[in-house]
Amino acid sequence: KQEVTQIPAALSVPEGENLVLNCSFTDSAIYNLQWFRQDPGKGLTSLLLIQSSQREQTSGRLNASLDKSSGRSTLYIAASQPGDSATYLCAVSFTDSWGKLQFGAGTQVVVTP
Amino acid sequence: DADVTQTPRNRITKTGKRIMLECSQTKGHDRMYWYRQDPGLGLRLIYYSFDVKDINKGEISDGYSVSRQAQAKFSLSLESAIPNQTALYFCATSALAGAGGGLFFGEGSRLTVL
Repeated sequence: KQEVTQIPAALSVPEGENLVLNCSFTDSAIYNLQWFRQDPGKGLTSLLLIQSSQREQTSGRLNASLDKSSGRSTLYIAASQPGDSATYLCAVSFTDSWGKLQFGAGTQVVVTP
Repeated sequence: DADVTQTPRNRITKTGKRIMLECSQTKGHDRMYWYRQDPGLGLRLIYYSFDVKDINKGEISDGYSVSRQAQAKFSLSLESAIPNQTALYFCATSALAGAGGGLFFGEGSRLTVL
């Protein structure tokens, strides 16, 4: 069974530190990988989408890398702010599950002032 | 207005009742999905539809049914709700372009079954 894992489940950092969030997946045959942010009781907001042919994507303070051969993606958030506190989810579209995404359980982030 | 709208946003019901959650989208996407979120389990796919005439079961479809009334509308029904269907339900859409497009989510419908 294809699985997506996010470790750690929770993370707390002081404001200003860089955040590093990890996502691992069990099958390197993927179409794309997407990072989402979820605030408590809210929907999911797409942060970055990386196609299988790409190594990384950047948006402002966010950078996501993709290493298919090792089955890993990393989301970096530079100079964290209290407003970055949220749960971050990783989702993978595997080639033999065409059009469907497999989600990790998420990493809950708290940025303390 | 939101691109993906779910109604109701919150619902409390009793065991055995029939419940319908509705989703409409203005993104013009062909693909629509229903996910369920439980604490510690992430999101799990219930049903998905690649166009109006296409309905597919996801990994946890038992106890649920769906209807794709139009390209823009996709509803999820619980014929006889049970307490372990208490969860946060999300509708999502994506463009048809292969699997290269990302997912866009609604705000969620919180369902409590007593």
